[in-house]
Amino acid sequence: QLQLRESGPRLVKPSETLSLTCSVSGESVSNDKYFWGWIRQPPGKGLEWIGSLHHNGRIRYNPSLESRVTVSLDTSRNQVSLNLTSVTAADTAIYYCARDFNFDYFDPWGQGTLVTVSS
Amino acid sequence: ETVMTQSPATLSVSPGERVTLSCRASQNVGTWLAWYQQKPGQAPRLLISGASVRATGIPARFSGSGSGTEFTLTISSLQSEDFAVYYCQQYDKWSYTFGQGTKLDFK
Repeated sequence: QLQLRESGPRLVKPSETLSLTCSVSGESVSNDKYFWGWIRQPPGKGLEWIGSLHHNGRIRYNPSLESRVTVSLDTSRNQVSLNLTSVTAADTAIYYCARDFNFDYFDPWGQGTLVTVSS
Repeated sequence: ETVMTQSPATLSVSPGERVTLSCRASQNVGTWLAWYQQKPGQAPRLLISGASVRATGIPARFSGSGSGTEFTLTISSLQSEDFAVYYCQQYDKWSYTFGQGTKLDFK
């Protein structure tokens, strides 16, 4: 059964870089059928897509975040990573990773991890 | 960017009721529309893809319909475990966007 688990620092200082890892089990991130995506949700608010990528190198980013976001795959560790630079309090959110069905929908999602941006 | 607008923001309902949630896209998205359910403290769960295809394990009381710019999620007979927030989501050639959500609460 496919499971995704996000991990990384829970607290990041303003202007620094947020870095998260999604460990995938039960499926290979190198499977040609799927992309892998990141979505975030500020506390008490709605969902915002961050970016998605395929092991063949195809990547799409949310235009509103593209200048600050990098998403990458580590196929040897079966992990998906997210880096978000120059963070502010507005980047405080629950960050989810999810399997992306070829730019159609997300299923399943990881449990999410809350990252707070604060000094 | 395709803007997704859900209505209403909150719906007060009782178990056993038939519930209809609406989602409108600012431009034609065909049937590239998904619905998710999110309960407090949990990640979203896929209910419907392709506007009308139930995901694996989703009860038959959930159904989706629509195409183009107008979409509907219907719960035929609301169960206690269905009280949650529901989001619609589309993908156009630029990005994914989600609606702001509709919350079902007890009447």
